[in-house]
Amino acid sequence: GAGVSQSPSNKVTEKGKDVELRCDPISGHTALYWYRQSLGQGLEFLIYFQGNSAPDKSGLPSDRFSAERTGGSVSTLTIQRTQQEDSAVYLCASSSRQANYGYTFGSGTRLTVV
Amino acid sequence: DAKTTQPNSMESNEEEPVHLPCNHSTISGTDYIHWYRQLPSQGPEYVIHGLTSNVNNRMASLAIAEDRKSSTLILHRATLRDAAVYYCILRGNSGAGSYQLTFGKGTKLSVIP
Repeated sequence: GAGVSQSPSNKVTEKGKDVELRCDPISGHTALYWYRQSLGQGLEFLIYFQGNSAPDKSGLPSDRFSAERTGGSVSTLTIQRTQQEDSAVYLCASSSRQANYGYTFGSGTRLTVV
Repeated sequence: DAKTTQPNSMESNEEEPVHLPCNHSTISGTDYIHWYRQLPSQGPEYVIHGLTSNVNNRMASLAIAEDRKSSTLILHRATLRDAAVYYCILRGNSGAGSYQLTFGKGTKLSVIP
């Protein structure tokens, strides 16, 4: 597609349940990023995938969070045993590798844990 | 980490130019200056970037100070659609600084009809 696609756009889940968030990056973009944005806050880096290299998971807030990128394309962010503090907008972006290219962000998944 | 400082908010009248400032006094020689904007309920949108020279594209212009310690994003004629939060970000040339972007609070631009 022309842009980065994220699904679902909204997700309401009960505390303690697991959720999966999906990201389809722009075709040909080798780099994929997950960020999250809590209400009224700036973006917080979560994880970075670059080609076949090992991902940088240093931004994941706890071991309840994990992410995969299959075939160098689609990525899934999984949150296990969700907590209320996980409520946020989860944003995915993709780019080519060079620093002189901008990211293209998706519209995000708004996660609400009740 | 190199950080940026921006005003919390600015206002502009529709169809007038807007100059959005950003200070980045600890910028390193290999850091690129990127600008993004975020409209309500949307992900950030790339606007423009530069290294040393001023840059122009269809969305905006970027003026970079000679010492690179500050920059200004210029919207030549503000429209209502330009009302958004604008983020000034330093992006490194390699390593974690090239992908762990730090988005601060940005500048909330209001456009008055």
